[in-house]
Amino acid sequence: GQQLNQSPQSMFIQEGEDVSMNCTSSSIFNTWLWYKQDPGEGPVLLIALYKAGELTSNGRLTAQFGITRKDSFLNISASIPSDVGIYFCAGQETSGSRLTFGEGTQLTVNP
Amino acid sequence: GAVVSQHPSRVICKSGTSVKIECRSLDFQATTMFWYRQFPKQSLMLMATSNEGSKATYEQGVEKDKFLINHASLTLSTLTVTSAHPEDSSFYICSARGDREENTEAFFGQGTRLTVV
Repeated sequence: GQQLNQSPQSMFIQEGEDVSMNCTSSSIFNTWLWYKQDPGEGPVLLIALYKAGELTSNGRLTAQFGITRKDSFLNISASIPSDVGIYFCAGQETSGSRLTFGEGTQLTVNP
Repeated sequence: GAVVSQHPSRVICKSGTSVKIECRSLDFQATTMFWYRQFPKQSLMLMATSNEGSKATYEQGVEKDKFLINHASLTLSTLTVTSAHPEDSSFYICSARGDREENTEAFFGQGTRLTVV
């Protein structure tokens, strides 16, 4: 089946620093999604990307849909302690198909 | 955004008993619901996909007789873990997707922490 490689696996940063994480796929996706999961909770959608090359922001978060449709990145600027959590990318082949998830990036922000 | 409610959030059961988990879409009609299992420090693993009024499609390696899924209405799907064993202890998460464009991304429930003792 399809696989998404997400990196880095974990990050330890100081409050105020910027963060970048990315996902690459062996196959093409038509939709890229980024989620955040807090401990003991379900994932919450952060940003959805629908077009190759699309760059979308949501507050301090910015995500891009790679031109090749095989990759995406998520940037978080000026990190704060509440950014702590696990970030997952997910790809979708078509609008009705299942999601394929990356392995997640565990983010720790030191005050 | 769309709201998906999952219940219960935590359940502890004895080995050999069955547990039912509910997943409801509160403000949209969910034509498709997904059930995931997540082990500690791991990603979400899709267990099955269910469409309202039809049988669920299970992923390879997931026992359909052990994990019974019912999607009887456009707002409710249930997962029943039958004859639970300690190895079934995990975090179970549902997601729901409608057929409107803004619902094409699956929205997730809060998850259910199942502990089998």
